[in-house]
Amino acid sequence: GDSVTQKQGQVTLSEDDFLFINCTYSTTTYPTLLWYVQYLGQGPQLLLKVTTANNKGISRGFEATYDKGTTSFHLQKASVQESDSAVYFCALVSNYNVLYFGSGTKLTVEP
Amino acid sequence: EAAVTQSPRNKVAVTGGKVTLSCNQTNNHNNMYWYRQDTGHGLRLIHYSYGAGSTEKGDIPDGYKASRPSQENFSLILELATPSQTSVYFCASGGGQNTEVFFGKGTRLTVV
Repeated sequence: GDSVTQKQGQVTLSEDDFLFINCTYSTTTYPTLLWYVQYLGQGPQLLLKVTTANNKGISRGFEATYDKGTTSFHLQKASVQESDSAVYFCALVSNYNVLYFGSGTKLTVEP
Repeated sequence: EAAVTQSPRNKVAVTGGKVTLSCNQTNNHNNMYWYRQDTGHGLRLIHYSYGAGSTEKGDIPDGYKASRPSQENFSLILELATPSQTSVYFCASGGGQNTEVFFGKGTRLTVV
């Protein structure tokens, strides 16, 4: 079945540092891959979507790309801010628009 | 603005008791979902529905039932709550394939 693996449980950075979070996926179909962000006390919200058609998504300074050869996709940001502190989830879209999530990466950005 | 509303936001239940978590969406979405979130596991799918009257099992359905009486409402039912069901539960709604899925703010359930 469809699945996503996200190994980085926690990342701590300083402001203006570079962010890189990686996920790997498994699916038998052409994937639509997502990044969701969850702020404290809130539900997850969509940050970026990447499909086989566009290979890349950009939003709010974040960029997501995927590599079909290694079945991996990643999220990056050139310069993080304290306000970016949150939990970031990668996800794979399956049938009936069901999302399969990775285990999440808690990002802490120190001033 | 897409809206998914969960109630209650917090619940303490006793072991063996019945718990019903409610979800309402005003997005006119066909698809609705229930996930639970636990540290180290991310969000795991419990049940989902692709329309009024339908419920489907997700990855971890044991101990849970779901009900979709209308387009707008989707409930998660714990007939006999256990401490292992202590978690944060999220309801979500989504439209057609690859459209955005919107989440509620979550329900924190503690079973004592």
